[in-house]
Amino acid sequence: EADIYQTPRYLVIGTGKKITLECSQTMGHDKMYWYQQDPGMELHLIHYSYGVNSTEKGDLSSESTVSRIRTEHFPLTLESARPSHTSQYLCASSEVRPKETQYFGPGTRLLVL
Amino acid sequence: GNSVTQMEGPVTLSEEAFLTINCTYTATGYPSLFWYVQYPGEGLQLLLKATKADDKGSNKGFEATYRKETTSFHLEKGSVQVSDSAVYFCALSENSGAGSYQLTFGKGTKLSVIP
Repeated sequence: EADIYQTPRYLVIGTGKKITLECSQTMGHDKMYWYQQDPGMELHLIHYSYGVNSTEKGDLSSESTVSRIRTEHFPLTLESARPSHTSQYLCASSEVRPKETQYFGPGTRLLVL
Repeated sequence: GNSVTQMEGPVTLSEEAFLTINCTYTATGYPSLFWYVQYPGEGLQLLLKATKADDKGSNKGFEATYRKETTSFHLEKGSVQVSDSAVYFCALSENSGAGSYQLTFGKGTKLSVIP
């Protein structure tokens, strides 16, 4: 059983608000990821990190930013939310070894009005 | 580049029917292959995986065999249950450049099992 947590699970917020989606894991994994999942179910990698103070952009351009100050914590921030940011956001983590399994959190479903 | 193509859904089956969800891949090297499942309102869970050719991954009655000659990793289950209703994602992990290993996902197949 993977120990990776996301809060909040659901968030409804108005346009222009700043939001932070939390993700934490207790497995000691160095690699962490954020995916955006559109209503058609397809998953898009938006950010990843190899470890503390490391962040990289993924395949899908995103207006969000991330930080990695602690190994277990990988928050995602939107400075000014817009309706186009409405989506499900999934956090995952894995060991650094090549081709290692990624473990996913339960997701945050965001609705921007 | 790497890519995964999986059977489009939705798929609707009666309880106890046989399930096959096709998955084929394109990769430059020797990827690991995965099936993830996403139940309604939840994140993805690893269902099974295989790391080399001819390996068979299995879990909860589901099976998939890594076929290098046909670049396939089809998911099968002999007798589905209502509780198997979910979205299934095929994925591969391979070097995406500069030593970085990312997961490449298929678009997902939604399965509905009716009593």
